Amino acid sequence: GENVEQHPSTLSVQEGDSAVIKCTYSDSASNYFPWYKQELGKRPQLIIDIRSNVGEKKDQRIAVTLNKTAKHFSLHITETQPEDSAVYFCAASTGGLLTGGGNKLTFGTGTQLKVEL
Amino acid sequence: DSGVTQTPKHLITATGQRVTLRCSPRSGDLSVYWYQQSLDQGLQFLIQYYNGEERAKGNILERFSAQQFPDLHSELNLSSLELGDSALYFCASSVGGYTDTQYFGPGTRLTVL
Repeated sequence: GENVEQHPSTLSVQEGDSAVIKCTYSDSASNYFPWYKQELGKRPQLIIDIRSNVGEKKDQRIAVTLNKTAKHFSLHITETQPEDSAVYFCAASTGGLLTGGGNKLTFGTGTQLKVEL
Repeated sequence: DSGVTQTPKHLITATGQRVTLRCSPRSGDLSVYWYQQSLDQGLQFLIQYYNGEERAKGNILERFSAQQFPDLHSELNLSSLELGDSALYFCASSVGGYTDTQYFGPGTRLTVL
């Protein structure tokens, strides 16, 4: 089955700096890659996602890049703010191609991002 | 607020017992997903239903079962509970299946004593 690896496990940056989180996946059939932000004790919240027909997507301070050949994708947060502090999860899915419409997300192990003043 | 609701918020029970977790998807969403989040296993997919039918299955234990009702709400039943079942259980929903965005509910925190 799919395996998603995520690095680093913890990341500390100064306010205003950029943060980059990287993930690799094993199943070449994966075609959907969302990123979720989770604050302590709360639900995962989607912050951005990318589908396999595009290589990059941007939403204000957040961007995601996808390299299908290398099977890796990355989250970039620019101009970090204290409220960006949280755990970030990447995920991958084959999005129904081989599962009759199933959309099972396989998650990475998470990155604890801390933005220091 | 994602529009996905889950009840109860917290559940404390004893080993060997059975519990039922409930989820109501966002209005218009036909797919419901269940995930388990624990410290040692991370976020793990359990099962997906689409319009009442099972669509995808993860490493869900045989002691666990789920169903989606005609009004599209879903229930996750956990039986013969063990200490290791203590976790946060999230429900998510999406419009359909495939690569539709999944929106997570607030979760149910299960503690097995």
